[in-house]
Amino acid sequence: EAGVAQSPRYKIIEKRQSVAFWCNPISGHATLYWYQQILGQGPKLLIQFQNNGVVDDSQLPKDRFSAERLKGVDSTLKIQPAKLEDSAVYLCASSPGQGAYLYGYTFGSGTRLTVV
Amino acid sequence: QKEVEQNSGPLSVPEGAIASLNCTYSDRGSQSFFWYRQYSGKSPELIMSIYSNGDKEDGRFTAQLNKASQYVSLLIRDSQPSDSATYLCAVNDQAGTALIFGKGTTLSVSS
Repeated sequence: EAGVAQSPRYKIIEKRQSVAFWCNPISGHATLYWYQQILGQGPKLLIQFQNNGVVDDSQLPKDRFSAERLKGVDSTLKIQPAKLEDSAVYLCASSPGQGAYLYGYTFGSGTRLTVV
Repeated sequence: QKEVEQNSGPLSVPEGAIASLNCTYSDRGSQSFFWYRQYSGKSPELIMSIYSNGDKEDGRFTAQLNKASQYVSLLIRDSQPSDSATYLCAVNDQAGTALIFGKGTTLSVSS
């Protein structure tokens, strides 16, 4: 089966600019996650979708970050305006309907964001 | 807020030795535990899952779980230079549908 697709792979922007990342999960996976991984740290959950509904966005900095999952398939994560501390790898993951409890995740290749 | 703790390392072992990676977690209600391997510049990949107390073996990898001590470990037998990576421990959250990750332990296997 095809894996989780993410684009772009790399992005360099100046602070205060905006950026958007795209994710296409494994076909049939109802649950989609966006994680932020800062260099030297473990992935941190930003937002979790079940189909096209938000399950958990408690750690999403909502003043600058937004995410949507229209039609319960693809998802986009947006940052506006970006700050230097947003430099990280943004990972998208998906899981079958029962979620991480049973299956764990499959991650995409990630988008490496550098804010200068 | 659940926490997952790992020694960041680096853990250095010679080729052929056993590498032991450890993880502790804060929430006694956690029920599923995972080990991910992450090569430099790559995304994490799932290598082991464990749900019950005891050992679970898969090739050269053995995951061990002790819920009473809130402790998970990963043993890698006959370590190879290709095992050099960061190993992330992950635990399910309260709702059971998302994973909380530790910071990872960097393993270096020298030939």
